[in-house]
Amino acid sequence: GENVEQHPSTLSVQEGDSAVIKCTYSDSASNYFPWYKQELGKRPQLIIDIRSNVGEKKDQRIAVTLNKTAKHFSLHITETQPEDSAVYFCAAGGGADGLTFGKGTHLIIQP
Amino acid sequence: EAQVTQNPRYLITVTGKKLTVTCSQNMNHEYMSWYRQDPGLGLRQIYYSMNVEVTDKGDVPEGYKVSRKEKRNFPLILESPSPNQTSLYFCASSFGTGAGYTFGSGTRLTVV
Repeated sequence: GENVEQHPSTLSVQEGDSAVIKCTYSDSASNYFPWYKQELGKRPQLIIDIRSNVGEKKDQRIAVTLNKTAKHFSLHITETQPEDSAVYFCAAGGGADGLTFGKGTHLIIQP
Repeated sequence: EAQVTQNPRYLITVTGKKLTVTCSQNMNHEYMSWYRQDPGLGLRQIYYSMNVEVTDKGDVPEGYKVSRKEKRNFPLILESPSPNQTSLYFCASSFGTGAGYTFGSGTRLTVV
């Protein structure tokens, strides 16, 4: 089955700086790569996703890049704000068995 | 409002006492799935269903059962809960396997 590795497990950045979270996946058949944000005590919520026929996607301060050859994809958050503090999960899949998630990155925005 | 509803939100039970966590979605989604979330382990898939009467095991199915008799409902059944099933459980649904999930609000289960 699919295996997703996510790094780092904790990331601390100064407010206003950029944050980058990286994931690798193992199954070359995976074609859908979403990112979820989970605030403390709440459910994961989809923030951005990308499909295998696209190399980059941007939505305001958030962007995701995908390198299919290397089997890795990244989340980029620019101009970080206190409300960006949360746990972020990457996932890979798109086949019949759904999504496999990474272990998560705890993003801390320092004032 | 489009949503996935899980019940109960919190549950404390004793080892061996059968329990069911309900999940219902009102978005006419075909795909539904159950995950458990444990510290340091992320979200791990327990079971999934591609449509009515079609279910399959995920990565950690031992000790769990599911059913999909209706499109909107996907209950998770623990026939004989054990302490290692203490966890935070999420139900999720989507239009298909290549679409984003909508998660329920979660069920925090403690088995003593």
